[in-house]
Amino acid sequence: AQKITQTQPGMFVQEKEAVTLDCTYDTSDPSYGLFWYKQPSSGEMIFLIYQGSYDQQNATEGRYSLNFQKARKSANLVISASQLGDSAMYFCAMREGRGAGNMLTFGGGTRLMVKP
Amino acid sequence: EAGVTQSPTHLIKTRGQQATLRCSPISGHTSVYWYQQALGLGLQFLLWYDEGEERNRGNFPPRFSGRQFPNYSSELNVNALELEDSALYLCASSAALTDQETQYFGPGTRLLVL
Repeated sequence: AQKITQTQPGMFVQEKEAVTLDCTYDTSDPSYGLFWYKQPSSGEMIFLIYQGSYDQQNATEGRYSLNFQKARKSANLVISASQLGDSAMYFCAMREGRGAGNMLTFGGGTRLMVKP
Repeated sequence: EAGVTQSPTHLIKTRGQQATLRCSPISGHTSVYWYQQALGLGLQFLLWYDEGEERNRGNFPPRFSGRQFPNYSSELNVNALELEDSALYLCASSAALTDQETQYFGPGTRLLVL
């Protein structure tokens, strides 16, 4: 079974509008972390936001927020006020367990295209 | 503060050759991770090094190996290259012993095997 599922291979959004990128995960470990990364065409993976499984509040970082619904095992990324520079691949990732160095498992990614 | 650096940016090899990829972590980070991003296969975990030791490896054959040096930089070696090894190889680093342990990635090395 897929551990991280991103069901939207591609999405369009109008500049200045908000957009939600979906991510569902599967784990039996009570302790885990969820990450979102942005990958522009240059290839570098840019860290955007983190949500820990025990965090009570949804994470926010500037225009990025994470809609964490633990019971539904979803961790959707919300980008407010989209900009042309937001056009990129977006990956949801999970780290299971606590302690240094657990590997990240990535979803298949969503390609976001921002229209002017 | 300098980010994760990788070299070379591009590498072209022929089948059967060996490739060496290098990574320097963010200053203060002791853990280095390697991931392979092949077309159509997504990002897959390759190797994790911490304090000079290999701590974990993904589902890759032994011809994928590496090491971590005393300064925490790392090298990934791919022996007996195959066409399907063509991919973007991403290195990431993290500071150990923190709850969040965010992995910060470098720009990657694009390996093309002909």
